[in-house]
Amino acid sequence: KQEVTQIPAALSVPEGENLVLNCSFTDSAIYNLQWFRQDPGKGLTSLLLIQSSQREQTSGRLNASLDKSSGRSTLYIAASQPGDSATYLCAVRPISPRLTFGEGTQLTVNP
Amino acid sequence: GAVVSQHPSRVICKSGTSVKIECRSLDFQATTMFWYRQFPKQSLMLMATSNEGSKATYEQGVEKDKFLINHASLTLSTLTVTSAHPEDSSFYICSALNLNRTVRTQYFGPGTRLTVT
Repeated sequence: KQEVTQIPAALSVPEGENLVLNCSFTDSAIYNLQWFRQDPGKGLTSLLLIQSSQREQTSGRLNASLDKSSGRSTLYIAASQPGDSATYLCAVRPISPRLTFGEGTQLTVNP
Repeated sequence: GAVVSQHPSRVICKSGTSVKIECRSLDFQATTMFWYRQFPKQSLMLMATSNEGSKATYEQGVEKDKFLINHASLTLSTLTVTSAHPEDSSFYICSALNLNRTVRTQYFGPGTRLTVT
């Protein structure tokens, strides 16, 4: 059974700092991995999707990496802003469409 | 971009009543939709996978007679919480799978906050 773990569970940083969120998964037989953002009381916004054959994806200040063999992914946020405050979820998909989510990292960026 | 809508966004009902939540894919056809529930400060838990024209597949521990899922068209799936109880209060999120893109992509709705009093 696939298990997804995210570390840290919560993170508080001052504005402008670069930060890394970690995601690990137990079964490396994945189709892709996706990072989401969730604001309080809201649905999920997809940030980055990395196919199993890819090593990283970038979008603006966000960079996600994938090391499938070691079961790890990181989400790097450059020059963090207060608007980045949210819960960040990592999810992996096997060949079937069922996503397995991590518990999330609650990020607070202080002005 | 692809959009998934949910209705209602928020509902309060009395214990013992039934509540229906709609999930629509607005600009693509979704043969597969997913229903999740999320308790405060917890991650999303998959409840069931809904396939158009067939019975839903429920995850272990999810009562299919309590959470009725209907996926009658390629753009609409509904979740009905029957005889709701306070412990059913949660955030319900649907997701639709878009197979038309080169990369299979799952789009999420904005969620429905259910409060059972």
